[in-house]
Amino acid sequence: AQSVTQLGSHVSVSEGALVLLRCNYSSSVPPYLFWYVQYPNQGLQLLLKYTTGATLVKGINGFEAEFKKSETSFHLTKPSAHMSDAAEYFCAVSGNNAGNMLTFGGGTRLMVKP
Amino acid sequence: EAGVTQFPSHSVIEKGQTVTLRCDPISGHDNLYWYRRVMGKEIKFLLHFVKESKQDESGMPNNRFLAERTGGTYSTLKVQPAELEDSGVYFCASSQDFPGRFGNTIYFGEGSWLTVV
Repeated sequence: AQSVTQLGSHVSVSEGALVLLRCNYSSSVPPYLFWYVQYPNQGLQLLLKYTTGATLVKGINGFEAEFKKSETSFHLTKPSAHMSDAAEYFCAVSGNNAGNMLTFGGGTRLMVKP
Repeated sequence: EAGVTQFPSHSVIEKGQTVTLRCDPISGHDNLYWYRRVMGKEIKFLLHFVKESKQDESGMPNNRFLAERTGGTYSTLKVQPAELEDSGVYFCASSQDFPGRFGNTIYFGEGSWLTVV
């Protein structure tokens, strides 16, 4: 069984400040990890994913995330927030077996203050 | 290349009525998924098609929900009769391979927002 916990349903940062969105997971098999973003009135867009290899993965729009197996975490970061980053962010996990679907966290709404 | 498209984008129906949501996956994607997010909750898996066959329908909440994928192309999700708790966003997604396969990406549509009153 898999589960995902996103700490903080709402996060507010100032423009130019560090963005840190937290994600912890549980999985009985080695996980594949994903971050999706949903901008207002749009669908879910893949930001980045971890499958194997390098634990620090870089995504679109300057975001990156680090897979830490010992901490069962996959936190999303961006050094400097931009107003256009305001959106809802979802962390998701899947197993590495065929047929394992995505399990999502509850989402974190990021607000960026000018 | 067209992405995953869903229709209608918004729908408001009365309790007891029927609604049919349609999804057109990315061309060539054999895998098609339905997810939904009810208000304030997580995005939950509903079911998974491989071509026209249901691979996994463990997430379907009850028998008021019926999904089909005729000919392995587009899919429909029918809710009959609709209840108030069915309100939410229904996402369709598609992929070339299973989500667990290396490098595979699942692409989502913009969602169909359903409100049952």
